[in-house]
Amino acid sequence: EPEVTQTPSHQVTQMGQEVILRCVPISNHLYFYWYRQILGQKVEFLVSFYNNEISEKSEIFDDQFSVERPDGSNFTLKIRSTKLEDSAMYFCASSNRAGRFSFFENTEAFFGQGTRLTVV
Amino acid sequence: AQKITQTQPGMFVQEKEAVTLDCTYDTSDPSYGLFWYKQPSSGEMIFLIYQGSYDQQNATEGRYSLNFQKARKSANLVISASQLGDSAMYFCAMSVSYNTDKLIFGTGTRLQVFP
Repeated sequence: EPEVTQTPSHQVTQMGQEVILRCVPISNHLYFYWYRQILGQKVEFLVSFYNNEISEKSEIFDDQFSVERPDGSNFTLKIRSTKLEDSAMYFCASSNRAGRFSFFENTEAFFGQGTRLTVV
Repeated sequence: AQKITQTQPGMFVQEKEAVTLDCTYDTSDPSYGLFWYKQPSSGEMIFLIYQGSYDQQNATEGRYSLNFQKARKSANLVISASQLGDSAMYFCAMSVSYNTDKLIFGTGTRLQVFP
């Protein structure tokens, strides 16, 4: 069964350092997402990406964050200068349809297993 | 504003019994999708079931069913014949965005199944 793959599974970084979280979405999917979950809290939307550009972002996704699809398979989240409060589980997700076509069919977003980021 | 509310922080159920996890949602958009995800202690998010706002019938997937009451804006998850492996965090989520289908999550319910 196809799956979304994230690497690394756990990353520890010093405050102020840059980190890149990597994701390989399911190959025929077109819509890509990053979510984060601070320990013990709910999952929060960060950004969505379609057709090589950001389609929507939350207020969490400030100038310190960026996303990229450098080739046909990878989807990355970069945090430029990490803060302690960036410590969280980061989930990548992908789906093959979205938006106005989606409400008549299941548009399940497949999630990766997550990257636990610890900023010290 | 769109919002998902899960009022049960924790639930206990005995093995083989059925359990209902509550979820209410708030949106003024007539087109939306409702999802339930399971998050075991290992951390991954596992899709369980989906209900579209235009679906006339309640969704079912094996032991999972979604009790969709549109007028009350509720989308409760029913797990029948609970198993020990059902012990996990359960999140209700909604998508309403016209363009991207971002998911808005509730705070989750921790389900513990005991023998």
